[in-house]
Amino acid sequence: EAQVTQNPRYLITVTGKKLTVTCSQNMNHEYMSWYRQDPGLGLRQIYYSMNVEVTDKGDVPEGYKVSRKEKRNFPLILESPSPNQTSLYFCASCPTGFGTDTQYFGPGTRLTVL
Amino acid sequence: GENVEQHPSTLSVQEGDSAVIKCTYSDSASNYFPWYKQELGKRPQLIIDIRSNVGEKKDQRIAVTLNKTAKHFSLHITETQPEDSAVYFCAAPARGGADGLTFGKGTHLIIQP
Repeated sequence: EAQVTQNPRYLITVTGKKLTVTCSQNMNHEYMSWYRQDPGLGLRQIYYSMNVEVTDKGDVPEGYKVSRKEKRNFPLILESPSPNQTSLYFCASCPTGFGTDTQYFGPGTRLTVL
Repeated sequence: GENVEQHPSTLSVQEGDSAVIKCTYSDSASNYFPWYKQELGKRPQLIIDIRSNVGEKKDQRIAVTLNKTAKHFSLHITETQPEDSAVYFCAAPARGGADGLTFGKGTHLIIQP
């Protein structure tokens, strides 16, 4: 089944404790991206990747890191999480450009930073 | 970069009536405008999109119209049903290119029985 998966789905952590949210897609898509969703703010892009080893900042990259060592995986890293990073996170992939084609979203990861 | 405004933030309609959600965008170079539907607790999913070479596109009860001159596009849902209740997001290409989408803040559509 073609899909985007994320793990974990739910995470409660404390300020400053490094964490990684994994994202994987099995559709051989070139493009992958991370979004955060907050009430009243919609979906905001954190980072994106156009191919292996090619990543760039989105609209809200502060406090996050990403890597793209393999085409199928695009982990999101929070080196020192803070309470303002409490949010619902979505990974997405796209066969061609995000600005021209359908995005396929993962199921979401709900993160709470205490 | 692109700025997308979406209205209304909440829309309540009677079952069977029509619903219209409107979005405006700022970058005249934008040429792809998708709409995503997000049911409660679920991921966003594409329901329809339109490119700048057409003014309207329909898919059963859903249609999208685009006015490039005025830089706005709208989602129209006819004969609304309870399963249409969800949050709807419009979007336009971020930074004018293929690297991402700028989303509107969403419209919570409520279908009253």
